[in-house]
Amino acid sequence: SAVISQKPSRDICQRGTSLTIQCQVDSQVTMMFWYRQQPGQSLTLIATANQGSEATYESGFVIDKFPISRPNLTFSTLTVSNMSPEDSSIYLCSVGLRTGGTEAFFGQGTRLTVV
Amino acid sequence: AQTVTQSQPEMSVQEAETVTLSCTYDTSESDYYLFWYKQPPSRQMILVIRQEAYKQQNATENRFSVNFQKAAKSFSLKISDSQLGDAAMYFCAYRSPPKGGSQGNLIFGKGTKLSVKP
Repeated sequence: SAVISQKPSRDICQRGTSLTIQCQVDSQVTMMFWYRQQPGQSLTLIATANQGSEATYESGFVIDKFPISRPNLTFSTLTVSNMSPEDSSIYLCSVGLRTGGTEAFFGQGTRLTVV
Repeated sequence: AQTVTQSQPEMSVQEAETVTLSCTYDTSESDYYLFWYKQPPSRQMILVIRQEAYKQQNATENRFSVNFQKAAKSFSLKISDSQLGDAAMYFCAYRSPPKGGSQGNLIFGKGTKLSVKP
């Protein structure tokens, strides 16, 4: 299994500012995924973070708005830039193990409110 | 592209009774994985049960079981002897098989909010 520590757990931010969310895993993983869950909605994939290469973004998400870092096999950050109230969501990081298993493990999520 | 559909936005069950949550999916792949995740108010995504598409036998985990109908692309979750702690959002999810040794992302349905009445 994998234990994921995601920080911060929640934040209230002013519009126009940026917030960086951290995701730390207790084991090495090849790919880390960042999801957004808007209020009352399902999870939507923002991007896939590969160690040593540029993140791959899904349609509707761009690097300028959601820059991602992946400096090593256990850590990643997602920044929500130039925030607006529409960015108020829960952001979750997720990983799959490199060897065996099919389960995806999730951080506890970051509840972001933009005012 | 794969899609996952949960047609029941909300469901309610009496404590100790049985409830079934529906999920259908669309894919052209023959090998894949299906999951049910539970999300309580704490926001933590908790794996309830998983099913590999190549397995004909339905997965079971204690009070949770699935009815996997591959030809119909249906993957329902049955919760027996419902407990108050089962109240949560339930998401059905699809994952393609690993590529190059790496697992892919999950594709989620819109979720079903389950309430359990005492």
